[in-house]
Formats: sequence, C-alpha cells, structure tokens
Amino acid sequence: QQQVKQSPQSLIVQKGGISIINCAYENTAFDYFPWYQQFPGKGPALLIAIRPDVSEKKEGRFTISFNKSAKQFSLHIMDSQPGDSATYFCAASYSGGYQKVTFGIGTKLQVIP
Amino acid sequence: GAVVSQHPSRVICKSGTSVKIECRSLDFQATTMFWYRQFPKQSLMLMATSNEGSKATYEQGVEKDKFLINHASLTLSTLTVTSAHPEDSSFYICSGGGQGDTQYFGPGTRLTVL
Repeated sequence: QQQVKQSPQSLIVQKGGISIINCAYENTAFDYFPWYQQFPGKGPALLIAIRPDVSEKKEGRFTISFNKSAKQFSLHIMDSQPGDSATYFCAASYSGGYQKVTFGIGTKLQVIP
Repeated sequence: GAVVSQHPSRVICKSGTSVKIECRSLDFQATTMFWYRQFPKQSLMLMATSNEGSKATYEQGVEKDKFLINHASLTLSTLTVTSAHPEDSSFYICSGGGQGDTQYFGPGTRLTVL
C-alpha cells in the first residue's frame, strides 16, 4: 500500500518556468511533510518541509502548498534552472524525533535551456 | 542541518562474501538511525530501524539474518550484508536526525555483487 502518492513521475520544464509536483497521503496521523532532492549517486538532501497547521511555506524559489482537508501537498519550483534537474521526493513522517520517513515514488525533473 | 556520513561510498565484492557499511552521525547523537535501500530509478524503501544498544527492527520481507545491523554507539550504526549475491546489488542509504523532526540522509553506498 503506497501511503504517499506522487505525480508526475517525470517532468520536463523549460528554464525559467514553474515546476509543479503533487503528492497525496492517506494516513492522517502524519504531521511532518519534507521534500527531498536527490542527484544521481547521492543521498537525498532536505529541500523544504511543512507541518499541517500551515497552508504554505516558501523558501527562496521553492514553495510548498498544503491542503489538509484534501490530504494533498505540492512543491512549486519558480524560475526553474538547469541545476534544479534532479529527482524530487515528497515524504511524510511523524514529528517528535527519531521517526522513519515514508517516501513518494519520486519525480525526475529535467529543466531544459 | 545535521551531517551523516557513510563508508565506503562504493564497494564491489564477489558473490558469497560479506560487506560492512558504516553510517556515522557527525554532529549529533542518534539513538535511532534508519537503513534504506534504493534500486535504480526507484524510491527509497525502509529496510530496518537501528536502535542503539538493542536489536534492530526489520521491515516485513527483509531478512534479518542476511542484513545484520549493529548500533554500537550513539554515532555509529553498521549494516553487514552477509553472503552477498548479485540480487543484493543496490544503493544503501542511512539516515539519522536526533531529536528533531527532520531525518538527514547519508551520501549512500553503492554495492555491486559480482
């Protein structure tokens, strides 16, 4: 059972465009939603994270939108750059420390010049 | 953010041999760390939870006798793949986060079994 559903699995965006990745979760007990960026041959790196009491969080060109009632959240990458080309994973976990992370399937983003 | 290291970054071994992978938290203490496995172009799948001073907790379908986990100290967890076979070839990644909500991931270890 896939607890965190992510789409699309691949995305091609032109430089300067907006990249949008969507995720949905089933377990309402999740209360911490991080996004990770992974380059080939590297471990995932935390990009941005949100808690369900906040509907939006922005850090630089990256914004998370969160809809608690719909159990959905999304990542928006504004002014996408070729250096953003990577695989992005949405994830969910429980707050409070020492919690395992449940990952979405991943989205391979390619930003073309 | 917190830093997690892994060693080695890649290893090639012959079928039937055992391989040990180390995961260290460099700037925080971790009573709990996690081991994940990632196949090419796939997501990370949790293998086991490593608990300092006690036995690891394995996810369903993961052979505990094949993937031995030892959490010897608050900064070191090791994963030993015993009697490795080609199907064990994968990217192994550990994570830790201390008392915070965020898990920080190591750079991963690429295991290739010939």
